[in-house]
Amino acid sequence: QSVLTQPPSASGTPGQRVTISCSGSRSNIGSNTVNWYQQLPGTAPRLLIYSNNQRPSGVPDRFSASKSGTSASLAISGLQSEDEADYYCAAWDDSLNGVVFGGGTKLTVL
Amino acid sequence: EVQLVESGGGLVKPGGSLRLSCAASGFTFGNAWMTWVRQAPGKGLEWVGRIKSKADGGTTDYAAPVKGRFTISRDDSKNTLYLQMNSLKTEDTAVYFCTTDRALGAFDIWGQGTMVIVSS
Repeated sequence: QSVLTQPPSASGTPGQRVTISCSGSRSNIGSNTVNWYQQLPGTAPRLLIYSNNQRPSGVPDRFSASKSGTSASLAISGLQSEDEADYYCAAWDDSLNGVVFGGGTKLTVL
Repeated sequence: EVQLVESGGGLVKPGGSLRLSCAASGFTFGNAWMTWVRQAPGKGLEWVGRIKSKADGGTTDYAAPVKGRFTISRDDSKNTLYLQMNSLKTEDTAVYFCTTDRALGAFDIWGQGTMVIVSS
């Protein structure tokens, strides 16, 4: 059981907008910033969003994220076939004194 | 080119030990906080632990499942991060990734990972 809760799957058609949720608690998302990762099949994860809504250089602006209270969400607009991947949220947890991840959401582009 | 390259993975029996290395290049390793993340086959990401830069104290933090068994260290003169794993259990079987750590769970540079299999 992951400390952060994500839906196991999501899907959309090319061009659509999809969102992925991430639910936590006061000790993690409620107190710290949220980060998002994309993991393409067979590759290492890639930082997609940091500090709730900041994109590292090279990440397209189709990817955006937000946080409210103890939840966060990742939005992907103009969905493309290459977006098919696993997506993870992560945050520092003050009670556990470590980083916690969501269980991951497998995004399928139909 | 900014790069992290892990090595040292392999097959080990339960109760055994293994040391992973992570060679860094293309950035000032000594200034970086470094983290190990693992991924069991077919499963999600799991934080293993981190080490701060020497300038920030060089202290370490570990996830509960590995605390007391795993030790993270660094040799800034060799631009290398280590993960010493003792008393290995079958549930430690995973791909182990080293990453740079911007703090608070933001890991921006990742290695390709090295596979550790704990099996009799």
